[in-house]
Amino acid sequence: DQQVKQNSPSLSVQEGRISILNCDYTNSMFDYFLWYKKYPAEGPTFLISISSIKDKNEDGRFTVFLNKSAKHLSLHIVPSQPGDSAVYFCAARNTGNQFYFGTGTSLTVIP
Amino acid sequence: DGGITQSPKYLFRKEGQNVTLSCEQNLNHDAMYWYRQDPGQGLRLIYYSQIVNDFQKGDIAEGYSVSREKKESFPLTVTSAQKNPTAFYLCASSKGLYYEQYFGPGTRLTVT
Repeated sequence: DQQVKQNSPSLSVQEGRISILNCDYTNSMFDYFLWYKKYPAEGPTFLISISSIKDKNEDGRFTVFLNKSAKHLSLHIVPSQPGDSAVYFCAARNTGNQFYFGTGTSLTVIP
Repeated sequence: DGGITQSPKYLFRKEGQNVTLSCEQNLNHDAMYWYRQDPGQGLRLIYYSQIVNDFQKGDIAEGYSVSREKKESFPLTVTSAQKNPTAFYLCASSKGLYYEQYFGPGTRLTVT
């Protein structure tokens, strides 16, 4: 039973435009959410996180939004760059400190 | 350079053989984890360890075993009891269970 879902397996965006990656979760006890980025043949690298007490966290070109009532998380990348092309995983932590990962969205930024 | 290393990158084994995947970190992290990734699925937790000489089963521990004799090392053994061992295996570590995890490059295991 997938507790964290990324319903779009892939996304293509023009360079310079906004990329929006979405993530939905089912467990209202999740208290911490993260986004990871993964290049082929490498492990995921931590990108940005947000606590459940906030609704937005920004780091440079990356902003994560949390809508607790909708149990929805999104990552905005503005402006998108070709080097952003990768697979993006969202993850959520429950109060028992176990992390659950989505299936990933493959982002392609077209030059 | 601080980081997590996994070896080998690719591993091939015959069915019925046990195989051990290596994971080493020099980040001085207390917690370490093993995940498995299959096509179309998220990362699934196999085992995790909060401190040396302690480890706990994750969601899919059957057919796997681990040890944590040193802080830096958390090897994973895929036993012959694991029904579908072919997968991409990722090791991770974190300062503690509360913190974000840092991942190694992964080992792709193929069992035929």
